[in-house]
Amino acid sequence: GENVEQHPSTLSVQEGDSAVIKCTYSDSASNYFPWYKQELGKRPQLIIDIRSNVGEKKDQRIAVTLNKTAKHFSLHITETQPEDSAVYFCAAEGYALNFGKGTSLLVTP
Amino acid sequence: KAGVTQTPRYLIKTRGQQVTLSCSPISGHRSVSWYQQTPGQGLQFLFEYFSETQRNKGNFPGRFSGRQFSNSRSEMNVSTLELGDSALYLCASSPIAGKDEQFFGPGTRLTVL
Repeated sequence: GENVEQHPSTLSVQEGDSAVIKCTYSDSASNYFPWYKQELGKRPQLIIDIRSNVGEKKDQRIAVTLNKTAKHFSLHITETQPEDSAVYFCAAEGYALNFGKGTSLLVTP
Repeated sequence: KAGVTQTPRYLIKTRGQQVTLSCSPISGHRSVSWYQQTPGQGLQFLFEYFSETQRNKGNFPGRFSGRQFSNSRSEMNVSTLELGDSALYLCASSPIAGKDEQFFGPGTRLTVL
């Protein structure tokens, strides 16, 4: 089945800096790659997604890039703010949606 | 539209017991997926139901089972509970099966003593 690796597991940045989270996947048939944000005590919520026919997608301060040849995709958050502090999960859709183990992002003022 | 709801929100059980969790999807959504969330392991896929049929199943023992009703509501059952089953169980719904945004419920926190 699909195996999704996510790095780093924890990330601490200063407010205003950029944050990058990277994921790799194993199933070359995967073609949908969402990112979810989970704040403490809350449910995961989709923040951005990308499909395999697109290499990059941006939404304000958030961007995702996809390299299908290398089977990796990344989340980029620019101008980080304290409210960006959360756990971020990447996922890859093969026969089912398989998640990485999460990255705990802390943005310090 | 009302969001995904799950009941109960909290459960405490003892080893060997069984438990049934319920998930009501967003109105009009026909796909319901279940996940187990534990610290350090992220979200692990349990199974997905679409139009009352199990579409996919994750790598969990047969003690974990589920079903979906004609109104798209879903239940999951865990029999012969083990300490390691303590986790947050999340369900998520989407309009169609497969490659689309999933909307998560608040989860059921299961503690096995």
